[in-house]
Amino acid sequence: GAVVSQHPSWVICKSGTSVKIECRSLDFQATTMFWYRQFPKQSLMLMATSNEGSKATYEQGVEKDKFLINHASLTLSTLTVTSAHPEDSSFYICSARGPVFGQGTRLTVV
Amino acid sequence: AQSVTQLGSHVSVSEGALVLLRCNYSSSVPPYLFWYVQYPNQGLQLLLKYTTGATLVKGINGFEAEFKKSETSFHLTKPSAHMSDAAEYFCAVSETNFGNEKLTFGTGTRLTIIP
Repeated sequence: GAVVSQHPSWVICKSGTSVKIECRSLDFQATTMFWYRQFPKQSLMLMATSNEGSKATYEQGVEKDKFLINHASLTLSTLTVTSAHPEDSSFYICSARGPVFGQGTRLTVV
Repeated sequence: AQSVTQLGSHVSVSEGALVLLRCNYSSSVPPYLFWYVQYPNQGLQLLLKYTTGATLVKGINGFEAEFKKSETSFHLTKPSAHMSDAAEYFCAVSETNFGNEKLTFGTGTRLTIIP
């Protein structure tokens, strides 16, 4: 079946730095991928839709300049959290066909 | 717009007892419905999904769910709970065609199994 791999599974970074999270479809091509964010003990909220070869579509209230999404190939989408701050600490997870989810990335900004 | 309501943020059942997790949805078009399980600090694992056809859907780990259009429900059940079933469960709905869904999730139900 379809497998989505997300990397890294966890990352700690200093406030003000940027962090890149990768989402790969391992055995299929994904023209569209989705990025979600999950705060502790809360549900998943869609952040943006990643479209191969074109700009991402962001949900209302999500800062596109802060959460940069690049979908440069049919198997890879990346989410870069720029100038991260402690309030960006969260669990970020991507999905693709199925929809199948990656393993998620726990981001902690200190 | 679509939405999902999961009744009961916490459910506790005894080992061997019936598990029933409730999910009601709102959708302007025929929905696609999903149940996922999440263990701590892990991603989401698909338990089962309803797209079209048979309204009783069987999933992994002995779970099943029934789509009831008249009740706008998609409750998840398992006849006999195991300790390993303790986790967070999310119901989700999609209105797009199968293959490129973006999902709207319920708030989740934490299932606790009592030995």
